[in-house]
Amino acid sequence: TQLLEQSPQFLSIQEGENLTVYCNSSSVFSSLQWYRQEPGEGPVLLVTVVTGGEVKKLKRLTFQFGDARKDSSLHITAAQPGDTGLYLCAGERAYKYIFGTGTRLKVLA
Amino acid sequence: DVKVTQSSRYLVKRTGEKVFLECVQDMDHENMFWYRQDPGLGLRLIYFSYDVKMKEKGDIPEGYSVSREKKERFSLILESASTNQTSMYLCASSLPSTLISNQPQHFGDGTRLSIL
Repeated sequence: TQLLEQSPQFLSIQEGENLTVYCNSSSVFSSLQWYRQEPGEGPVLLVTVVTGGEVKKLKRLTFQFGDARKDSSLHITAAQPGDTGLYLCAGERAYKYIFGTGTRLKVLA
Repeated sequence: DVKVTQSSRYLVKRTGEKVFLECVQDMDHENMFWYRQDPGLGLRLIYFSYDVKMKEKGDIPEGYSVSREKKERFSLILESASTNQTSMYLCASSLPSTLISNQPQHFGDGTRLSIL
């Protein structure tokens, strides 16, 4: 059972464009993490959001946790080729992590 | 920096073989995890361990077993490999969330396993 759905699954955009990735669930999570994975490497943590409605910024990346702690979004402003990768959300429940289906982003120069 | 090391980057085995995937972490983390990653499915948890000799099934444990004899090492075993176990396998470790909440997971670089 896939509890965390990400959309879109694939995204190819030009450098300088903005984009938003969504992570949705019908279940509540105690916290939610976003990871980025580059080819040949394991996922690397970008951010953790804990409180419903929380917004965190990491340079050009803005992360938001839904008020009900069931969903999250990642917005990238002025995307750059270095943002290319697989973005994964992961919800924490009962000391385990449930990963989303992933969004593969390609930013073209 | 936390380092999680997986013993092989690429592995090719035959159906029916017993396969061992090894993972070692150097940060004294209590929690260790094994996932498999397949396109369009994200990461799916196979097994995890929250202490030495302790293990719990994840979402897809069938066909797999694990061993944690020492805190730093977590092994994934494919008892009799089958072609549907061809996948990328990722190991991760973390501090326990019971002590400090919202612990990040630290991942190895993965083992791409092909079963012929």
